[in-house]
Amino acid sequence: DQQVKQNSPSLSVQEGRISILNCDYTNSMFDYFLWYKKYPAEGPTFLISISSIKDKNEDGRFTVFLNKSAKHLSLHIVPSQPGDSAVYFCAASDGAQKLVFGQGTRLTINP
Amino acid sequence: SAVISQKPSRDICQRGTSLTIQCQVDSQVTMMFWYRQQPGQSLTLIATANQGSEATYESGFVIDKFPISRPNLTFSTLTVSNMSPEDSSIYLCSVDLGSGRAWETQYFGPGTRLLVL
Repeated sequence: DQQVKQNSPSLSVQEGRISILNCDYTNSMFDYFLWYKKYPAEGPTFLISISSIKDKNEDGRFTVFLNKSAKHLSLHIVPSQPGDSAVYFCAASDGAQKLVFGQGTRLTINP
Repeated sequence: SAVISQKPSRDICQRGTSLTIQCQVDSQVTMMFWYRQQPGQSLTLIATANQGSEATYESGFVIDKFPISRPNLTFSTLTVSNMSPEDSSIYLCSVDLGSGRAWETQYFGPGTRLLVL
């Protein structure tokens, strides 16, 4: 049972435009959500997080939106830059010492 | 932050054999984790490795298949035993430098890419 789903395996965006990566979850007990970024041959690195008591968290070009009623979160990157090309994972926690990850979305920023 | 290295970075193995993956951290950490990412799948937690105690395995993973050692606070190994092609995955170790729920302080190694023929 895939509790965290990223239904788009890949996304291609033109440089300067907005990139929107989506993530859906099924477990209503999840109360903390994170996005990780992964470059080839490197481990994932933390990007941005959001608690379930919020619906938006912003950090520079990156904004995460949470819609609890729809069990959906999204990551917006604006403006997109070539260095943003990577695989993005969303992850969720229910308070236990464990993260549940999505399958990842490969983002390609075209010049 | 933490610098994490894994050995080997990749390997091709024959079915029925075993492979031990090493994870080295540049600082002492209490909690280390082992994840697996099968092709097209999500990162899945295999087990939590705590120094001085037995590893805690997630549902679907057993010690006989994935024995883990944690001899000190900077090192851990994961063995993939009696391998089959279904074990072909990327295996990642990670550490949590924070306490409680500070997930922002979780760092991952570069991964070990395993192909079983």
